[in-house]
Amino acid sequence: GIQVEQSPPDLILQEGANSTLRCNFSDSVNNLQWFHQNPWGQLINLFYIPSGTKQNGRLSATTVATERYSLLYISSSQTTDSGVYFCAVLIYGGATNKLIFGTGTLLAVQP
Amino acid sequence: EPEVTQTPSHQVTQMGQEVILRCVPISNHLYFYWYRQILGQKVEFLVSFYNNEISEKSEIFDDQFSVERPDGSNFTLKIRSTKLEDSAMYFCASSYLDLNQPQHFGDGTRLSIL
Repeated sequence: GIQVEQSPPDLILQEGANSTLRCNFSDSVNNLQWFHQNPWGQLINLFYIPSGTKQNGRLSATTVATERYSLLYISSSQTTDSGVYFCAVLIYGGATNKLIFGTGTLLAVQP
Repeated sequence: EPEVTQTPSHQVTQMGQEVILRCVPISNHLYFYWYRQILGQKVEFLVSFYNNEISEKSEIFDDQFSVERPDGSNFTLKIRSTKLEDSAMYFCASSYLDLNQPQHFGDGTRLSIL
């Protein structure tokens, strides 16, 4: 099956720093979502991005489907950005319709 | 913005007991899903549901698991005889008619088996 790998696995930042998180996937996918899992365990939808670039405030994401990767940019990080960031690829066709999650990046933003 | 709601937020159950996790998907969504996340691990697909039947299930979704849409609003996950290894966060999700649409997740139910 498809493999979804994220890097780095862990990241520690000082407040105000910028970072780039990467998601690689091993096969063609129909779409891709980025999530932030906060310390309470909630999965927050960040982006739904099959290709191209999207921006939302201090966050932006770029997916290059032909090269099978996506990037999440966090600028001017804040302590509330701490948590785990997951990418998930959408596989559908026939009876299949599911998200395959990556391994996650654990981000800690220190004041 | 409409959201997926899950109850309870935390469930503690004795091993061997049955448990039912409840979800209210977004009202105009037609595809429903359950995912599981064991503590410290990634989120894993369990099952997808459309038109009142399972469309796909993973290897994790064995005979101990079942799903049901008992009325027009609820979507439930039942575990018949819980095991210690069923302890996890369970997420419900839903998506719109077009399959190529984002899945919207609930806040999860943390299930603890004693």
